[in-house]
Amino acid sequence: DGGITQSPKYLFRKEGQNVTLSCEQNLNHDAMYWYRQDPGQGLRLIYYSQIVNDFQKGDIAEGYSVSREKKESFPLTVTSAQKNPTAFYLCASRSGSHTGELFFGEGSRLTVL
Amino acid sequence: DAKTTQPPSMDCAEGRAANLPCNHSTISGNEYVYWYRQIHSQGPQYIIHGLKNNETNEMASLIITEDRKSSTLILPHATLRDTAVYYCIVRVAFSGGYNKLIFGAGTRLAVHP
Repeated sequence: DGGITQSPKYLFRKEGQNVTLSCEQNLNHDAMYWYRQDPGQGLRLIYYSQIVNDFQKGDIAEGYSVSREKKESFPLTVTSAQKNPTAFYLCASRSGSHTGELFFGEGSRLTVL
Repeated sequence: DAKTTQPPSMDCAEGRAANLPCNHSTISGNEYVYWYRQIHSQGPQYIIHGLKNNETNEMASLIITEDRKSSTLILPHATLRDTAVYYCIVRVAFSGGYNKLIFGAGTRLAVHP
């Protein structure tokens, strides 16, 4: 079945360590997104990519990095420079229709110990 | 993109219709209204969208006022599984450039027996 797969679902990290969250989609969508969600809050955009080998910063890109070497993959690295990395991370891709609905993965919950 | 205002929480009895309001008084003529929902600790799920006319699909109905300054999402027969946070978002349609969906805090709908 077509969809978006995020891994790992849960991740623990020590302070000062980088960690990479995986996002893979087989929907043949060009655009992909990373959002961060804190408890009781809405979603905030970290990075987005409209096409392979291109990506742009969102509203809270500091302390994060991404790559888009393949259409189906958009990994997010949470670096040690991110001051408050404990959060729920959501990856999404956008359909190619005129109205562009977003399809989300199940999320990755990162906890920094 | 226009901002939206939603009540923070609502209750609904199982089997009854759930009517979730959204105000978007600054909406532009080319902006669509989208609804997503997020069940606890999962990725948001697309529900429905509309521009001017009322819309219905297998999940819900969307009623947009004639002046387009507000809308209502209707779940005709709410079930316990509809308990979630519902997000109302307005945004221009995909035009080849970047279109950001801004997720606010949404409405937390609790469906009770």
